Amino acid sequence: EIVLTQSPGTLSLSPGERATLSCRASQSVSGNYLAWYQQRPGQAPRLLISGASSRATGIPDRFSGSGSGTDFTLTISRLEPEDFAVYFCQHYGDSPPLFTFGPGTKVDIK
Amino acid sequence: QVQLVQSGAEVRKPGASVKVSCKASGYPFSGYYMHWVRQAPGQGLEWMGRINPNSGGTIYAQKFQDRVTMTSDTSIRTAYMELSRLTSDDTVVYYCARGGVAAALDDWGQGTLVTVSS
Repeated sequence: EIVLTQSPGTLSLSPGERATLSCRASQSVSGNYLAWYQQRPGQAPRLLISGASSRATGIPDRFSGSGSGTDFTLTISRLEPEDFAVYFCQHYGDSPPLFTFGPGTKVDIK
Repeated sequence: QVQLVQSGAEVRKPGASVKVSCKASGYPFSGYYMHWVRQAPGQGLEWMGRINPNSGGTIYAQKFQDRVTMTSDTSIRTAYMELSRLTSDDTVVYYCARGGVAAALDDWGQGTLVTVSS
């Protein structure tokens, strides 16, 4: 079973700054089946990135995903006020459990 | 546009069962898996399983294998998740989510809070 670790746990930044979030897998992720989600308080998660680097429909281009193997990164180039939220990475694998989520990184206002 | 609308909050006693519904619109219901994910207050996300509405085939996470049942009714474009033998640890928000490209969860319901309390 692949375990996902996210760092840092909390990232304190100011609007306009760049955010770099890390997701590390305990084993290599096959097919780059790695996704990122944003969750604002009181809301359902929202898909940002699938396939490690493909932005979902309607996601602004300040969000980008990169990485392969065991190390993946979500970058927010310039933080907007609505970007302060919790971000989860997620992996799909062939053996149960099929879907695994990381513990999340909270991006809060400095 | 894709919409997933879930049933309202529920309160159950320990040992009881709960059935949450998820009504889909805006896409071919039978063509996409429906997943169920849960989240304890202030905690992370936990995948419970998924159903193929076209075939009715299901895969459950090992943790829930013996007490979760996922079903769907294509005639009314609705998926269901039933969880039995509830305990206080099942007091969480349950989400349905549509499976999409590259095994990501493209669209999510608004969530249903289930409270288990005596």
